[in-house]
Amino acid sequence: GAVVSQHPSRVICKSGTSVKIECRSLDFQATTMFWYRQFPKQSLMLMATSNEGSKATYEQGVEKDKFLINHASLTLSTLTVTSAHPEDSSFYICSARDTINGYTFGSGTRLTVV
Amino acid sequence: QQPVQSPQAVILREGEDAVINCSSSKALYSVHWYRQKHGEAPVFLMILLKGGEQKGHDKISASFNEKKQQSSLYLTASQLSYSGTYFCGTQRGGGSQGNLIFGKGTKLSVKP
Repeated sequence: GAVVSQHPSRVICKSGTSVKIECRSLDFQATTMFWYRQFPKQSLMLMATSNEGSKATYEQGVEKDKFLINHASLTLSTLTVTSAHPEDSSFYICSARDTINGYTFGSGTRLTVV
Repeated sequence: QQPVQSPQAVILREGEDAVINCSSSKALYSVHWYRQKHGEAPVFLMILLKGGEQKGHDKISASFNEKKQQSSLYLTASQLSYSGTYFCGTQRGGGSQGNLIFGKGTKLSVKP
């Protein structure tokens, strides 16, 4: 089945630094990938839609200068949290749509900003 | 528009049945169901496309009523492994570009 690899799975960083999260579709090509954020005991909130070769589309209220998205190839999208602050601590999950099984999610990245 | 899920939480004994509902105020193209265990990413269960579709595998099935803009997930003879939070995700457009918007989730706890 379709596999989406996401890493790192956990990262702890100091306030003010930047963190890059990678999302790869391993056995299929994904022209579109999606980035979600999930706070404890809450739902997944769509942050942005990442389009291969073009600019990402951000949801209302998501700062595009803070959450940089790059989708340089059909199998890789990256999310960079710039100048991270403790309130950015969350569970970040990417997903991609394959042709059979709907949306496949990565394993998620738990970001802790100290 | 975020779909509305009900109930918010349900506690079952092993072997009991449960129904989780998902409704939208807007017309839907598809409904997706996922289960998420604590600390893990969501796992795909099934997708239903418009047209009165019903699907199921093992003892988990779902229906999609396009006219009522709602979907229901049916868990039959629940097992301990069914515990987790169930999310429905709705898509208003077709194609690979459609955004999936998730409901707030239904926490299911299955007790021995």
